[in-house]
Amino acid sequence: QVTLRESGPALVKPTETLTLTCTVSGFSLTGSEMCVSWIRQSPGKAPEWLARIDWDDEKHYSKSLETRLTISKDTSRNQVVLTMVNMDPADTATYYCARSHFGSGTGAPDYWGQGILVSVTS
Amino acid sequence: DIQMTQSPSTLSASVGDRVTITCRASQSISTWLAWFQQKPGKAPKLLIYKVSSLQAGISSRFSGSGSRTDFNLTISSLQPDDFATYYCQQYNNYPWTFGQGTKVDFK
Repeated sequence: QVTLRESGPALVKPTETLTLTCTVSGFSLTGSEMCVSWIRQSPGKAPEWLARIDWDDEKHYSKSLETRLTISKDTSRNQVVLTMVNMDPADTATYYCARSHFGSGTGAPDYWGQGILVSVTS
Repeated sequence: DIQMTQSPSTLSASVGDRVTITCRASQSISTWLAWFQQKPGKAPKLLIYKVSSLQAGISSRFSGSGSRTDFNLTISSLQPDDFATYYCQQYNNYPWTFGQGTKVDFK
């Protein structure tokens, strides 16, 4: 059974750094053509894709946010970590991690975590 | 970035109706197009991938069609559980982008 679970702070202050962890089970982060993305959704808005890390450690970032984002993985802990620096109230959103499996999979994000609401306020 | 434009933004319908949602990409995305359903407080749920492939466990009343820049999601006979917001998403180019959403509500 594939599951993803996000964890991290619910509140951060402006200018602080946000660190979110996605703990996965039911699949391997190094499995062939397996990828994990971070996607956020501000209240009442469409989802926004932020970053993706692939089975071979290749990374991809949103162009508008790439100077603020770092994605990494710890395969021994089955975790994918996203850091976002210089947080702003406009970054208030629910943050999701989601799996994609290319090759024999769908390629699209097929399993999602339940999401974590992060509020940026002083 | 590839812009994904959905229409309509809101669709009012009744149980049993056939409904179609349209998604247009600002440039060709080949067949890398997915559709998601989202209910309040829940994560998006994958319905359709690669334009027309039905995700495992999803009802066959959902279908997808289209190519290059123009795509449709059709619900053949709307059920009470289908009242939700629907998003298209392209995964052909980085950054992956979503449409702005179509809310299907009760007429």
